[in-house]
Amino acid sequence: EADIYQTPRYLVIGTGKKITLECSQTMGHDKMYWYQQDPGMELHLIHYSYGVNSTEKGDLSSESTVSRIRTEHFPLTLESARPSHTSQYLCASSDLGESYEQYFGPGTRLTVT
Amino acid sequence: RKEVEQDPGPFNVPEGATVAFNCTYSNSASQSFFWYRQDCRKEPKLLMSVYSSGNEDGRFTAQLNRASQYISLLIRDSKLSDSATYLCVVTPLSGGYNKLIFGAGTRLAVHP
Repeated sequence: EADIYQTPRYLVIGTGKKITLECSQTMGHDKMYWYQQDPGMELHLIHYSYGVNSTEKGDLSSESTVSRIRTEHFPLTLESARPSHTSQYLCASSDLGESYEQYFGPGTRLTVT
Repeated sequence: RKEVEQDPGPFNVPEGATVAFNCTYSNSASQSFFWYRQDCRKEPKLLMSVYSSGNEDGRFTAQLNRASQYISLLIRDSKLSDSATYLCVVTPLSGGYNKLIFGAGTRLAVHP
């Protein structure tokens, strides 16, 4: 079992609120990722990180921001939530080596009303 | 055109059946290939890597056809527990950050 955790698992929040989705892993992985997935659709990469103090935007434009101050922690923040942000957010991590296997957290299902 | 295309299904099969999924990818320079499994409302998990020579893991067989740019997954003797969405995943030639490109998935429903 992968040791990667996300909180909260479910979040219903009103428009305009600031939210932070937490992601932590205990595997010592350098690389971490945030994906967005709508029901029945593919995962889209929105942010990734090579390691501490490294963050990059992914393929799908997102109004969210991320930080990587500690290896094990990769939180995602939305300054002002909107209904268009309603989606599932999945965090993942992988080893620095050549393995392409990514380990996913259980996801946060966000609903913005 | 999507980089990775899959038939969304669902494939409804009885227990014990053999079922096969195909996936096509558009970038001929794609380097590595995988099948991930995603249960309903759960996170994706790696099922198996796909090698040029083909590979087998128990009831699961994966094949790669680079010339035609497609990947297949064959499941023999289907079990109820195989019901899930199967995601075809490819990596580009240069990703730098272990980039994975996911298909939207093929849904499998195995019934008694």
